[in-house]
Amino acid sequence: DAGITQSPRHKVTETGTPVTLRCHQTENHRYMYWYRQDPGHGLRLIHYSYGVKDTDKGEVSDGYSVSRSKTEDFLLTLESATSSQTSVYFCAISGETRETQYFGPGTRLLVL
Amino acid sequence: ILNVEQSPQSLHVQEGDSTNFTCSFPSSNFYALHWYRWETAKSPEALFVMTLNGDEKKKGRISATLNTKEGYSYLYIKGSQPEDSATYLCAFPPPPYNQGGKLIFGQGTELSVKP
Repeated sequence: DAGITQSPRHKVTETGTPVTLRCHQTENHRYMYWYRQDPGHGLRLIHYSYGVKDTDKGEVSDGYSVSRSKTEDFLLTLESATSSQTSVYFCAISGETRETQYFGPGTRLLVL
Repeated sequence: ILNVEQSPQSLHVQEGDSTNFTCSFPSSNFYALHWYRWETAKSPEALFVMTLNGDEKKKGRISATLNTKEGYSYLYIKGSQPEDSATYLCAFPPPPYNQGGKLIFGQGTELSVKP
């Protein structure tokens, strides 16, 4: 299994609070991604990174920001959580553009 | 807007049945097609990356074919077993292909195999 961990694995928070999710990899892969999984929508890309300090938006980036200060860590921040951001969040990594993506175990976030 | 369509949305079969489902994608500027298997409460797991028209890939009882000219890929499962129950996702990278390897995912085909 690819060495990807996500923390926390579960979180309950209140509307309006900031939340940061962490993805950590030990594979030294260049590319990292944050997805959210919602019923009826499958997996949707939030943000991705193609190197340290190099990030870009995905299809559902509103309300989220990311940072990548080290190859191994990719942080996803919800600046002010809303109930619509209740979801399961997956981090993924890949080595090159045609290579498969390897997924972390997921973080289940509930915003009350 | 580039889209990946998968059909059927769900499939219920008996143990031992063989089954197949479809992934449709834009045929112009094809780069690669990915298949993933996603069991409930787990993470998506890679099955295949297909890049050439006519490609056929196999992993145990699961195989996939690719037609880039008409924009579809089939996933076959021979002799389905209960442990094959999962959602099967396909995904493709949208152009331009230097966009950090990002993928657009279909909504998946949910397979349920009854013993």
